[in-house]
Amino acid sequence: GAGVSQSPRYKVAKRGQDVALRCDPISGHVSLFWYQQALGQGPEFLTYFQNEAQLDKSGLPSDRFFAERPEGSVSTLKIQRTQQEDSAVYLCASSPFGGRREKLFFGSGTQLSVL
Amino acid sequence: SQQGEEDPQALSIQEGENATMNCSYKTSINNLQWYRQNSGRGLVHLILIRSNEREKHSGRLRVTLDTSKKSSSLLITASRAADTASYFCATDFQETSGSRLTFGEGTQLTVNP
Repeated sequence: GAGVSQSPRYKVAKRGQDVALRCDPISGHVSLFWYQQALGQGPEFLTYFQNEAQLDKSGLPSDRFFAERPEGSVSTLKIQRTQQEDSAVYLCASSPFGGRREKLFFGSGTQLSVL
Repeated sequence: SQQGEEDPQALSIQEGENATMNCSYKTSINNLQWYRQNSGRGLVHLILIRSNEREKHSGRLRVTLDTSKKSSSLLITASRAADTASYFCATDFQETSGSRLTFGEGTQLTVNP
């Protein structure tokens, strides 16, 4: 596709529900990143994939957060038993470079509201 | 915190004026990048400056890097209403293992027509 695509654009969940957020990176991009952005703040790193390998998950805030990229393209971020503090915009980014943290292409994000 | 810190938090100028935003950080970097975010959208990469570079230009953008002061500035010349957005610096720290690109809290720029 022309850019990084994320779905859904908006998600409202009741506390305790599980949610799944999808990211379609730019075709051929090796690196894929997930970031969390609270209102009025900069993005905070969650996790990184190089192709299908999850090389860094040090930013995931708890074991309720899980991400996968099984075929090295589409990625899913899953949040189990959502809590109000999970409310944020979840941004996906991809890059043609492997192993380099440069020139990330971002999607428009999924805005998650946990009630 | 290793986050870049940006100032000012908010900046309001008239169209045609120049806008300057600053970013400071705490530890050695490989590179520093600037991104723009329009309201409700994702971030767009603007420019990257490496630790061995002091100044870089791209169109109306000028970025400087002073590694001795651990600071960078982004200058937008002849601003336009379409430049209204949040601007973030992102640092690639040398000591960081893994793949973390660390973003600051951003400067909200408003360009009034």
